[in-house]
Amino acid sequence: KAGVTQTPRYLIKTRGQQVTLSCSPISGHRSVSWYQQTPGQGLQFLFEYFSETQRNKGNFPGRFSGRQFSNSRSEMNVSTLELGDSALYLCASSLVELTGNSPLHFGNGTRLTVT
Amino acid sequence: GNSVTQMEGPVTLSEEAFLTINCTYTATGYPSLFWYVQYPGEGLQLLLKATKADDKGSNKGFEATYRKETTSFHLEKGSVQVSDSAVYFCALSSYTGNQFYFGTGTSLTVIP
Repeated sequence: KAGVTQTPRYLIKTRGQQVTLSCSPISGHRSVSWYQQTPGQGLQFLFEYFSETQRNKGNFPGRFSGRQFSNSRSEMNVSTLELGDSALYLCASSLVELTGNSPLHFGNGTRLTVT
Repeated sequence: GNSVTQMEGPVTLSEEAFLTINCTYTATGYPSLFWYVQYPGEGLQLLLKATKADDKGSNKGFEATYRKETTSFHLEKGSVQVSDSAVYFCALSSYTGNQFYFGTGTSLTVIP
């Protein structure tokens, strides 16, 4: 079974630009959640989508948005990029929504560098 | 609320040494507990999990026991190898939280 696939692996953008990251979950998984990982803040929860609906959102500004398609694939968008948005963005899929004991399965992440 | 506190790193051990990484949690309800491992340049991988009190999760020589009375889920391994060098994250999932809560991660380096 293929794992969680994130594209692209690396991105370099300039301040003020916008970026879209993509995540394909494990087949059959309906929950996709996104995390920002930085050395100083660790893993910060961005949002979770289940059956195309955003179920929960972390404490991030409105510049961070996402969506989920009917095939469970998800995209995350960051507009008006700031230097502080440089991070590893991780996507994780789960069989059910994030209230049960079903574990998360992570992709290898997209490394975003904002210059 | 829900939160996870884990031992600060970095931790450096010699090969074949005993490993303990402490993890304590605060949760409303009855959480499930997890340990994840992250190797350089990769995402997190599930190492083990426990879903109720007194459960012991185990995988690849690592073990952790869900202790409700001490709200802990410490990770242990009897004899570490160089290949165990990675960052380890403790996490919880709760019906009251709608998300996973991660500790800050503990970096482990094993030297030959």
